[in-house]
Formats: sequence, structure tokens, C-alpha cells
Amino acid sequence: SQQGEEDPQALSIQEGENATMNCSYKTSINNLQWYRQNSGRGLVHLILIRSNEREKHSGRLRVTLDTSKKSSSLLITASRAADTASYFCATEGGPLKTGGTSYGKLTFGQGTILTVHP
Amino acid sequence: EPEVTQTPSHQVTQMGQEVILRCVPISNHLYFYWYRQILGQKVEFLVSFYNNEISEKSEIFDDQFSVERPDGSNFTLKIRSTKLEDSAMYFCASSSSYGYTFGSGTRLTVV
Repeated sequence: SQQGEEDPQALSIQEGENATMNCSYKTSINNLQWYRQNSGRGLVHLILIRSNEREKHSGRLRVTLDTSKKSSSLLITASRAADTASYFCATEGGPLKTGGTSYGKLTFGQGTILTVHP
Repeated sequence: EPEVTQTPSHQVTQMGQEVILRCVPISNHLYFYWYRQILGQKVEFLVSFYNNEISEKSEIFDDQFSVERPDGSNFTLKIRSTKLEDSAMYFCASSSSYGYTFGSGTRLTVV
């Protein structure tokens, strides 16, 4: 598989349920980021987790990173219909510069299409 | 909250024509990028730009593409002679140590 592969490709849940999306990658990274994209629209940065971090929270979002397994998960708790979107993980590698950010290119996965039914 | 602004939001052009996509990155960011997303596919890196020069480019970024920072605020992507396969959403981004900010994209349609 390629760098940044999400699983599942599509997820359909009811409002109020939790949604978990997984991402696997192949090469070493400086950080991993999750983005959201509403249909045909721009990319919205959700959360960044550095390679030396294992878990991070932001509101209803929880991201984990397991560098030994080269995998990450994004959990959205108490989902809402407005969470319906595509979710992408993106890895950043390259020479480390400051604070775990290399300012290098992001490699995106194929994305998970999340549908939350009201 | 600071934004990355892209213009136009939609552009339709004839095959073989030149197009220039424009971006205004966040003012105190130093790194700028162009990505593209062909419909239904993943977002792909095109080029990164720092200190008035290209710092990295992908295989996609061939001689038909060029980037420029003509003044202190704009960052442009030029496609010299568009092909049908250049039809995609083009995203500009800028970054700081806190992370990336993407623009809302320009949808380019080559006919």
C-alpha cells in the first residue's frame, strides 16, 4: 500500500455514534496530520500529531499515533450530521527542522468518506 | 483566523492555453506549496517554495509548470500549455511551525 492509506474507505453511522478512521503509512515521519474535506471544497486542518507524541485531543477529536506500527487513528466522538465529509491523513517527512515540523511536502492518503445520518 | 486566499475559485480554459492560479498565503508564513486533487483521487504534492526558490517538486511538476512570488504577498502557479489531464482542484497552502493552512482551492477545468 502507499504512504497514508486510510481504512475504511467509507463509513456510515448514526448521529451520536463514534467514528473511527485508521491510517497506515510506510516511511518514517516527522508528524501526521488529519484533514477534513466537504464535497468539492477545501481542506480543513483538524489536528497534527508529532512523531514523539502518542495521543492528542481536540474537542471531539482524538488522534493516536503508533510509530512502531506506522499507524494512526482518528476518533470522532458523538458524531453529528455536520461531520459528514471526507477525512484524510497526511504524513510529513523530510529533514527535521524545528518542533517536529520539517516544512516538507505532505503525502495524503485516499481518504475515508464519513456519512453521519441524522 | 488568518486564511490562505485563492483566486479564482473556478477557471475554465481551452486546451493549450496558459493559466495562472493565484494565492495569497498567510502573511507571516515562510513556506508555500501547491497541491492538486484530480476528481475522486488523493491530494498530490506539486511543489514547495521557500526563500524565493523552489525547495522541492514532484514528478508532476514538469516544465509546463512554474511558480512565482511576484511581490510580497502573492504566490502564483502557472501552467503554460494546459492539457485535459490538468483538470483538477488546485490547492495552495502555507505553513509555519504550528502547521499548514490550505486555501479553498481553484477548480480548473480544461476543455
